Amino acid sequence: GQNIDQPTEMTATEGAIVQINCTYQTSGFNGLFWYQQHAGEAPTFLSYNVLDGLEEKGRFSSFLSRSKGYSYLLLKELQMKDSASYLCAVSRNSGAGSYQLTFGKGTKLSVIP
Amino acid sequence: NAGVTQTPKFRVLKTGQSMTLLCAQDMNHEYMYWYRQDPGMGLRLIHYSVGEGTTAKGEVPDGYNVSRLKKQNFLLGLESAAPSQTSVYFCASRTGVNYGYTFGSGTRLTVV
Repeated sequence: GQNIDQPTEMTATEGAIVQINCTYQTSGFNGLFWYQQHAGEAPTFLSYNVLDGLEEKGRFSSFLSRSKGYSYLLLKELQMKDSASYLCAVSRNSGAGSYQLTFGKGTKLSVIP
Repeated sequence: NAGVTQTPKFRVLKTGQSMTLLCAQDMNHEYMYWYRQDPGMGLRLIHYSVGEGTTAKGEVPDGYNVSRLKKQNFLLGLESAAPSQTSVYFCASRTGVNYGYTFGSGTRLTVV
């Protein structure tokens, strides 16, 4: 089976830095994705990590440690528009070339002035 | 480039009615997926397809059927709707297993 854990809610101040953690347990691990989802909208792709280390993309960075089953999403210089849910998703090989994403329940981030 | 298009966007069904949700993508993606999203539950995989003519069950397939007769279309059917199927349904596609999903805008379904 799979288990993906991330905090339910977080609050941070505009201009600050926030780190959203994700821990997972799975077999056939093939990478970890982060998505952003604004209320009432579809998720949009933020980042993909398949190897250990940090991937930086503008104000957003994502880190992966496969041995620890741990990832985090780092958001810098927070803006009000960053208020959204952030979804951690693990890709796994379920056999016969079949790969799907299993999503965590999401972390709702509120950015306050 | 439309990406992934879902129809309809909203629907209210009575218990026992049937309906089909259509997902169409114009990116020539091989892989297509149907998820449902419920408060406190996150996105859960219903069915998926790894190519034209193929389908497979996901985490929560009961009460749903799918078809992928054409590469660009992935249909999700509810034969006899139940209130437990009230949810937001998202279709997604991707070109390969090391790529992120592109999601459709979602279908908000209410079964009364």
